[in-house]
Amino acid sequence: ETGVTQSPTHLIKTRGQQVTLRCSSQSGHNTVSWYQQALGQGPQFIFQYYREEENGRGNFPPRFSGLQFPNYSSELNVNALELDDSALYLCASSIDPDPGKSPLHFGNGTRLTVT
Amino acid sequence: GENVEQHPSTLSVQEGDSAVIKCTYSDSASNYFPWYKQELGKRPQLIIDIRSNVGEKKDQRIAVTLNKTAKHFSLHITETQPEDSAVYFCAAASNFGNEKLTFGTGTRLTIIP
Repeated sequence: ETGVTQSPTHLIKTRGQQVTLRCSSQSGHNTVSWYQQALGQGPQFIFQYYREEENGRGNFPPRFSGLQFPNYSSELNVNALELDDSALYLCASSIDPDPGKSPLHFGNGTRLTVT
Repeated sequence: GENVEQHPSTLSVQEGDSAVIKCTYSDSASNYFPWYKQELGKRPQLIIDIRSNVGEKKDQRIAVTLNKTAKHFSLHITETQPEDSAVYFCAAASNFGNEKLTFGTGTRLTIIP
């Protein structure tokens, strides 16, 4: 069974640029959630995709957007990068959108640095 | 929305002693409370969880207790070992159309050999 994989592992971008982060969900999982983890903080919910549709969004501006593909892999796109976007971006997959029904399995994350 | 507070932010205990981490939540609709362990540079990993119809759950050296009335839950680690050193996060979620986990700010646990 393959776990959740994310790419790239590290990324350095300049303020104002755009970035795309990728996530392959664990086999058999149809739900992907994205979290932002700033240094020294807990993960914060960005949004969730379930069967290729956005299924909930946290308190993040519209320049954070996403996609889920038919194979349930997912992308997180961030436009007009700001310095505060520097963080670890975590992808988590599950077999049900409700975290109470299906535990989240996290990837190792993508460390994004915006300069 | 839900707000989860976690204490302490750092905790050092002697190897073999017990460690306790406490969290409070604000949304009375929350009914699922997982705990994650995150080692340096690694992914958060679920170590134990509890649902609101249960007051306590144990798994070997780890236990979680829940007080719904007071809206707080705690992680207890007994007979601590050096490999328990990590950052621990509590989280909360409800099932009323809420698909997200709300995390606490984390506790850095250091086990002193």
